[in-house]
Amino acid sequence: NAGVTQTPKFQVLKTGQSMTLQCAQDMNHEYMSWYRQDPGMGLRLIHYSVGAGITDQGEVPNGYNVSRSTTEDFPLRLLSAAPSQTSVYFCASSARWGAADHYEQYFGPGTRLTVT
Amino acid sequence: GQQVMQIPQYQHVQEGEDFTTYCNSSTTLSNIQWYKQRPGGHPVFLIQLVKSGEVKKQKRLTFQFGEAKKNSSLHITATQTTDVGTYFCAGPLSSGSARQLTFGSGTQLTVLP
Repeated sequence: NAGVTQTPKFQVLKTGQSMTLQCAQDMNHEYMSWYRQDPGMGLRLIHYSVGAGITDQGEVPNGYNVSRSTTEDFPLRLLSAAPSQTSVYFCASSARWGAADHYEQYFGPGTRLTVT
Repeated sequence: GQQVMQIPQYQHVQEGEDFTTYCNSSTTLSNIQWYKQRPGGHPVFLIQLVKSGEVKKQKRLTFQFGEAKKNSSLHITATQTTDVGTYFCAGPLSSGSARQLTFGSGTQLTVLP
């Protein structure tokens, strides 16, 4: 199993450009999520999905769109990039979501995005 | 909203010294998870605690979940240079239908040889 894969690893965008960060998992996980990581602020949830066709907003969703047409893929779209979106983006998946079930999250290697 | 606070933000220790990071939630958590992120890497799951007062050990790492299930700690005995990284706690957001993990801001551990 490749686990969680993300592409690209690095990206530089100009303000106003749009792009899609790709995320795929081959573990048949129901739950997938996108986080951004900024220095001193930990991981903040952008969007998440509990299954194909179902998405919901996290803590910081503005400026980002997601869709989940298959169990495997969960792309993150930046609609009009801004310097404030310079960050490291992590995609994660877990087998399921449950209040007390074991739902370890597996993270991808990340995409380092710079917006100039 | 629900918050998960983590202290300290940074910790420098001499190799062989002990290290502890603390996690506090504003609300009761059904469970808490701990992750480690090496410099330049991605977070990697370490453990999940579910029961009130639970204590789990992984070699030199000891994890505790408070009796009230609102706090947790990670203690490393006799640190090694391989322990370098940032340690995060995370708890599930339980308001309404939200199904999210809220992460603490992390404790960055530096181990001096």
